[in-house]
Amino acid sequence: DAGITQSPRHKVTETGTPVTLRCHQTENHRYMYWYRQDPGHGLRLIHYSYGVKDTDKGEVSDGYSVSRSKTEDFLLTLESATSSQTSVYFCASRTTAMNTEAFFGQGTRLTVV
Amino acid sequence: ELKVEQNPLFLSMQEGKNYTIYCNYSTTSDRLYWYRQDPGKSLESLFVLLSNGAVKQEGRLMASLDTKARLSTLHITAAVHDLSATYFCAVERSRNTDKLIFGTGTRLQVFP
Repeated sequence: DAGITQSPRHKVTETGTPVTLRCHQTENHRYMYWYRQDPGHGLRLIHYSYGVKDTDKGEVSDGYSVSRSKTEDFLLTLESATSSQTSVYFCASRTTAMNTEAFFGQGTRLTVV
Repeated sequence: ELKVEQNPLFLSMQEGKNYTIYCNYSTTSDRLYWYRQDPGKSLESLFVLLSNGAVKQEGRLMASLDTKARLSTLHITAAVHDLSATYFCAVERSRNTDKLIFGTGTRLQVFP
């Protein structure tokens, strides 16, 4: 299995506070992704990165920002957390965009109260 | 915008029976992926389908891809309880190979 770790694994935060989730991979994968998983919606792409400092928006990017200053780290920031951002967040990575499956981290359960 | 739909969303089936999960997508693509997720766990890659007519099999699961119909199927043969999980398909657009878009998932329950 690809070495992808997410931190924290669980977090409870208050509405209006900024939150940063971290994804760290040890596979030297070029591509990294952040998804959120909610009942009835499957996995929805928030942002993704196709290289250091190269990022783009996904399907549900409003209220989120990302940064990738090193190949191994991809950070997701909720600028001002809202209750609608309560979700399970998954990070994924893969070597190239073509013909390869993505490997997933263990997920972060975020609760905004 | 690429849309990926799965049906059924929920499937309850008896052990020993056969069934098919369908994955439809809205734009041209020739790369499709199937994943499995156990409750409370992460996603695990099952199959990678890279061309029209591709067929992959692993145990009681068989996946196929018809790019002209924009359809992939995941066929379950003689289901067993261990197959109970949520199954996702994911598609990437041929002209934009960066985005990987997932379907809503099919929750499968296999009972005795």
